[in-house]
Amino acid sequence: EPEVTQTPSHQVTQMGQEVILRCVPISNHLYFYWYRQILGQKVEFLVSFYNNEISEKSEIFDDQFSVERPDGSNFTLKIRSTKLEDSAMYFCASRGSSGQPQHFGDGTRLSIL
Amino acid sequence: DQQVKQNSPSLSVQEGRISILNCDYTNSMFDYFLWYKKYPAEGPTFLISISSIKDKNEDGRFTVFLNKSAKHLSLHIVPSQPGDSAVYFCAASEDTDKLIFGTGTRLQVFP
Repeated sequence: EPEVTQTPSHQVTQMGQEVILRCVPISNHLYFYWYRQILGQKVEFLVSFYNNEISEKSEIFDDQFSVERPDGSNFTLKIRSTKLEDSAMYFCASRGSSGQPQHFGDGTRLSIL
Repeated sequence: DQQVKQNSPSLSVQEGRISILNCDYTNSMFDYFLWYKKYPAEGPTFLISISSIKDKNEDGRFTVFLNKSAKHLSLHIVPSQPGDSAVYFCAASEDTDKLIFGTGTRLQVFP
């Protein structure tokens, strides 16, 4: 069964450094998402992406965050200057057409030191 | 801003019995509801969904019930199996777009 894949599984970065989290969505999906889950808290929406542009972003998704679909398969989340509070699990998700559920990757655990 | 709430942080059920997980929401604009299952170190796995035009959807051992007037949905698992032990998240959306998640219910199925 097709699945969403995320790399790396764990990323450790010094505060202030840039980090790029990578995702390969399911191949025929059109809608892409990033969510995060801070330890002990609920899964929170960050951004949605369709037709090569951001559809919606949350208030968490400030100017330090950006997303890109550089080619036909990858979908990336960049954090320009990481902060301690960016430490979380980051999940990528994708879905096909309207009415279809989102499918999630296994996440990247981001640890900011 | 708790638009989606799962008031039971944990549930323990004997193998073979029914597990009932509950979820409440406040936003009347939600029209699509989903249940996800999550094991440690894995992402949420889609289980079952329901559109607001229905009040029940069934898939094998899993049934989701939606009560729009009460803004309540529930997931029934019958019969429960030890492999069902996981954290279950309720999620809701408008137009099947961004998901708003509940805090999760940890289900433990014991022999």
